[in-house]
Amino acid sequence: EAQVTQNPRYLITVTGKKLTVTCSQNMNHEYMSWYRQDPGLGLRQIYYSMNVEVTDKGDVPEGYKVSRKEKRNFPLILESPSPNQTSLYFCASSLGGPGTEAFFGQGTRLTVV
Amino acid sequence: KNQVEQSPQSLIILEGKNCTLQCNYTVSPFSNLRWYKQDTGRGPVSLTIMTFSENTKSNGRYTATLDADTKQSSLHITASQLSDSASYICVVRSTSGTYKYIFGTGTRLKVLA
Repeated sequence: EAQVTQNPRYLITVTGKKLTVTCSQNMNHEYMSWYRQDPGLGLRQIYYSMNVEVTDKGDVPEGYKVSRKEKRNFPLILESPSPNQTSLYFCASSLGGPGTEAFFGQGTRLTVV
Repeated sequence: KNQVEQSPQSLIILEGKNCTLQCNYTVSPFSNLRWYKQDTGRGPVSLTIMTFSENTKSNGRYTATLDADTKQSSLHITASQLSDSASYICVVRSTSGTYKYIFGTGTRLKVLA
């Protein structure tokens, strides 16, 4: 089954404790991206990747890092999480052409206390 | 500034009724417009994708329209079902930048029995 898998689904952590949210897709998609979703703001792009070893900042990259060492994986790293990074995070992948569909993961609800 | 605005913010209808959700955008240059359905706590799922030359596209009981001149789109839901209760997100892709999507904040639809 074609899917984008995020882990964990829920995470509560303390300020400053490094964490990684994993994202994996099994569709051989070139494009992957991370979004955060906050009430009243809609989804905002954090980082995206056009292919292995190619990443770029989205609209709200501050406080986040990503890596794309393999085509299927695109982890999101919070080196020193802060409470304002409490949010619902989504990973998405697509073939990348203008008309191609983006597939989203199930989401990771992160709470930083 | 590239923006996508949706209305209404929320909507309650009775099962079996039709409804129409609106999306106005100021994104330029325009590539395509997508409608997504997002169940609470889940990732968005694509309903339709429309390019500049397409005026209407259907997916079952969902019909999307696009007027590229006025930069407006609508999503019409026919004979609503309880399972239609979700948020509906309008997303516009710009050809400016390699992978730029601008998300609306969504319309939250509640279908009552």
